[in-house]
Amino acid sequence: DTAVSQTPKYLVTQMGNDKSIKCEQNLGHDTMYWYKQDSKKFLKIMFSYNNKELIINETVPNRFSPKSPDKAHLNLHINSLELGDSAVYFCASSHRQGRNEQFFGPGTRLTVL
Amino acid sequence: AQSVTQLDSQVPVFEEAPVELRCNYSSSVSVYLFWYVQYPNQGLQLLLKYLSGSTLVESINGFEAEFNKSQTSFHLRKPSVHISDTAEYFCAVSDKRTGGSYIPTFGRGTSLIVHP
Repeated sequence: DTAVSQTPKYLVTQMGNDKSIKCEQNLGHDTMYWYKQDSKKFLKIMFSYNNKELIINETVPNRFSPKSPDKAHLNLHINSLELGDSAVYFCASSHRQGRNEQFFGPGTRLTVL
Repeated sequence: AQSVTQLDSQVPVFEEAPVELRCNYSSSVSVYLFWYVQYPNQGLQLLLKYLSGSTLVESINGFEAEFNKSQTSFHLRKPSVHISDTAEYFCAVSDKRTGGSYIPTFGRGTSLIVHP
């Protein structure tokens, strides 16, 4: 069983479109995260939810909106996609917020044309 | 704000040689420290962690790291590397911020390249 899964694995779309990435964890963790990894491998935290409550919202354009329907799911919706949004997006989960290790999904490679 | 510095963006080394990947952080409060490894086209995997207790922590595949509070460092070492250790290595630090949340901050990564 995959611990943290993301769909889709690849996403190619045109500028201006709206797209969503889904994430699910079956580890029973209370905290989930979204990260963006750019072409230079720099990993930047975007959002974090603890027990469905938003606890971290870093400087991210408001075109990005996370949604957590329950503790096991954290989806990312992106409106009006721009070229600069092209990156690999990772979902992760952990127990006890940042006081324990994170388990990462396989990533979603987003390419905006 | 918390910052994590990985001084070397790339470390080339020959197989069976020792290696050290450096990590320094800025927080002065209680911290939780992690090293993650990322193989090509994969997500990050935990390599080892320091939460409390012994300052020297080890992984199952021969890596070790030592928490040095006075130098605010958590360097990663391996006495003899293998070709299969070629990967990107990330240091991460979690500390308590205003409001009580623990927020992880990642370094920019070090690319370990092991040559035969």
